[in-house]
Amino acid sequence: KAGVTQTPRYLIKTRGQQVTLSCSPISGHRSVSWYQQTPGQGLQFLFEYFSETQRNKGNFPGRFSGRQFSNSRSEMNVSTLELGDSALYLCASSSLPTGLTNEKLFFGSGTQLSVL
Amino acid sequence: GDSVTQMEGPVTLSEEAFLTINCTYTATGYPSLFWYVQYPGEGLQLLLKATKADDKGSNKGFEATYRKETTSFHLEKGSVQVSDSAVYFCALYTGGFKTIFGAGTRLFVKA
Repeated sequence: KAGVTQTPRYLIKTRGQQVTLSCSPISGHRSVSWYQQTPGQGLQFLFEYFSETQRNKGNFPGRFSGRQFSNSRSEMNVSTLELGDSALYLCASSSLPTGLTNEKLFFGSGTQLSVL
Repeated sequence: GDSVTQMEGPVTLSEEAFLTINCTYTATGYPSLFWYVQYPGEGLQLLLKATKADDKGSNKGFEATYRKETTSFHLEKGSVQVSDSAVYFCALYTGGFKTIFGAGTRLFVKA
């Protein structure tokens, strides 16, 4: 069974540009979460999608957005990039239905975004 | 709000030393608790979990016990190996479709 796939693996952009990152969850997983990982802040939650609906959102500005398609694949978009957006963006999928408290996440290897 | 606090790293140990990485949490309700590990160049993977008070999670020689009275979930291993060098994240889930992670603790094990 293929794992969580994130593309691209590396991205270099300049300030003011926008970027789109892609995540394909494990087959059959319908929940996809996105996290931003930086050395100083650890993992910060961005948002979570289930069946094309955003169910929760972290404390990030509106420049960060996402969506999920009917095949559970998800994209996140960052517009008007800033230097501080440089980070590893991780996607995670889960097979468990809503409401359970023992939710295990399966992570991709991430997309390393560098903003110059 | 809910949060997780981990000891700061890096932690540097010699092979076969005893490992403890401290983790405490603040949460409303009754969270499930997790330890995830991230090896260089990879995403996180679940190491162990516990879903209720006094549960002990264990995997690959690592253990952690869910202590409700001290709101802690410390990670321990009796004898570390060079291959255990990684970043370790403590995490909790209380619902709301959001898992909350600590800042991570980097472990270096020297041969």
